[in-house]
Amino acid sequence: KAGVTQTPRYLIKTRGQQVTLSCSPISGHRSVSWYQQTPGQGLQFLFEYFSETQRNKGNFPGRFSGRQFSNSRSEMNVSTLELGDSALYLCASHRGVSTDTQYFGPGTRLTVL
Amino acid sequence: KNEVEQSPQNLTAQEGEFITINCSYSVGISALHWLQQHPGGGIVSLFMLSSGKKKHGRLIATINIQEKHSSLHITASHPRDSAVYICAVRSEETSGSRLTFGEGTQLTVNP
Repeated sequence: KAGVTQTPRYLIKTRGQQVTLSCSPISGHRSVSWYQQTPGQGLQFLFEYFSETQRNKGNFPGRFSGRQFSNSRSEMNVSTLELGDSALYLCASHRGVSTDTQYFGPGTRLTVL
Repeated sequence: KNEVEQSPQNLTAQEGEFITINCSYSVGISALHWLQQHPGGGIVSLFMLSSGKKKHGRLIATINIQEKHSSLHITASHPRDSAVYICAVRSEETSGSRLTFGEGTQLTVNP
């Protein structure tokens, strides 16, 4: 069974631009969570989607948004990029039961110049 | 004070040594996860615990719910165990799968 895939793996943007990242979960998994990892703040929860609905949201500004499609693939969008948005963005999927093990993708490394 | 605290932040060991990484948390939880992150970013889930003890190969994870404490042990450590180990908790007050993470422990095992 294929693992969680994320595209693109690396991305360079400039301040003020917007970016869309994609996550394809493991087949059969209905929940996708997104996380941001920075050297200063570590790993932080962004949001979780389950069956196309946002089930949980972290403490990030409204510039960060996401959605999930009927095939469980998920995208996250960051508008009006700031230098501080440079980070590794990870998604994780599981079947949908909250106590399931989460399987992480390889991440998208975003650099904002 | 962070909800999840790990110690030590950095750990260097010689191959074959027994290693312990600790995690303390301040909230009621429904599950605790131990994760491993190698250079390059990929994260692997090692254990998910809600009570007791789990073992997988040379790795052992324990949790004491009353003391709000968990430990990850590595027996007969090997250079390939070098990675960042991260403790994460799911609060019992949280719906869904939201995780709160510790800062991680950088483990280096020298041959």
